[in-house]
Amino acid sequence: DIQVTQSPSSLSASVGDRVTITCRASQSISSYLNWYQQKPGKAPKLLIYVASSLQSGVPSRFSGSGSGTDFTLTISSLQPEDFATYYCQQSYSTFRVAFGGGTTVQIK
Amino acid sequence: EVQLLESGGALVQPGGSLRLSCAASGFTISSYAVYWVRQAPGKGLEWVSTVSGSGTSTYYADSVEGRFTISRDSSKNTLYLQMSSLGAEDTAIYYCARDRVGSTGQLDYWGQGTLVTVSS
Repeated sequence: DIQVTQSPSSLSASVGDRVTITCRASQSISSYLNWYQQKPGKAPKLLIYVASSLQSGVPSRFSGSGSGTDFTLTISSLQPEDFATYYCQQSYSTFRVAFGGGTTVQIK
Repeated sequence: EVQLLESGGALVQPGGSLRLSCAASGFTISSYAVYWVRQAPGKGLEWVSTVSGSGTSTYYADSVEGRFTISRDSSKNTLYLQMSSLGAEDTAIYYCARDRVGSTGQLDYWGQGTLVTVSS
């Protein structure tokens, strides 16, 4: 089974900061990597699919990059509403998806 | 408007069974793969099961294989998860989620979740 590992597990940042979260797959998954945002008590929300495509309605300060085994989610200028937990997810195995452990972005 | 509404979560004793439902609206479930994803208290997301858009293929995580059964009723546009031999490790919020374009593994719409608690 393909596994995905995120780092860091948590980070502290200030409004306006540039934030980067990484995700590594246990084998090459081409660009089949998606990113989700989850706020407390809410369902996850799709942000980015196939590594770099922005889901409709998601602010352009969010971007994704990478291919193969290494991927990155970047928030160019952190906003108050961005404090949340972020998950990567591989969809190379379309119906047997797997999520990373999550990265919690906290207020510094 | 696409919506998913889970129900059926409850407190159940170890070894017990439970059936979760996910009522879909705004789209036809027979055109999309639909997934169950769970989240234990304070933990991350864990994929549980998937049914393909055609309904002919089902998939399960190793942790639930042989205990859980995913199904759907196209006439009711509803997805189900039948769970049996439940243990404490199955305590979680269970979400249903839709595939963005049928069968991509990208989950664009999620329900609000239903809580399953396994405890004596």
